[in-house]
Amino acid sequence: KAGVTQTPRYLIKTRGQQVTLSCSPISGHRSVSWYQQTPGQGLQFLFEYFSETQRNKGNFPGRFSGRQFSNSRSEMNVSTLELGDSALYLCASSNAGTGMGPNTEAFFGQGTRLTVV
Amino acid sequence: LAKTTQPISMDSYEGQEVNITCSHNNIATNDYITWYQQFPSQGPRFIIQGYKTKVTNEVASLFIPADRKSSTLSLPRVSLSDTAVYYCLVGDPFSGGYNKLIFGAGTRLAVHP
Repeated sequence: KAGVTQTPRYLIKTRGQQVTLSCSPISGHRSVSWYQQTPGQGLQFLFEYFSETQRNKGNFPGRFSGRQFSNSRSEMNVSTLELGDSALYLCASSNAGTGMGPNTEAFFGQGTRLTVV
Repeated sequence: LAKTTQPISMDSYEGQEVNITCSHNNIATNDYITWYQQFPSQGPRFIIQGYKTKVTNEVASLFIPADRKSSTLSLPRVSLSDTAVYYCLVGDPFSGGYNKLIFGAGTRLAVHP
């Protein structure tokens, strides 16, 4: 089956701009999580959406937001970009914690490499 | 989610067996132990998961002692392509909070010719 698809793969933005990243989960998966990875901070959890509702949230400022559509596809938005937002943004889909049985594996996409200049 | 502690880095040679140990002293009764592998500029990839004793799949084995306060990922006969960062995570996969995966620094494994 098709894996997790993230678009675009690479993005260059200017400080102050906003950006929207997209994630298409594995078919049938209802949970979509977003992560930021930087050399300094490692992999950090941003938020998780399940059935179009944000279910878990990490410790990031309000400039980072997301949403999930009825087909489980998700987008994350970063407004007023800062240089420090340059990172690899990863999306993961899963059915863990959804009451759909012992599906405990999170599948990650290839990520979107965001560079803020 | 329980905090985990792993060695920051390890070195090995092709053909050797590599064992990476993870400490999780505060693991809860319902928590499972999961290991992920990550190559540069790619998303982490699930390797193996277990609850107790030993689990084996086509790529690795996971050893979990009776007290479950630690676990050991064993990679048999590593090759250069096993050079990656390995993460150990613990959590209850049946919990709504499970997908808030908390990654530590991981173990950077370097396999040499």
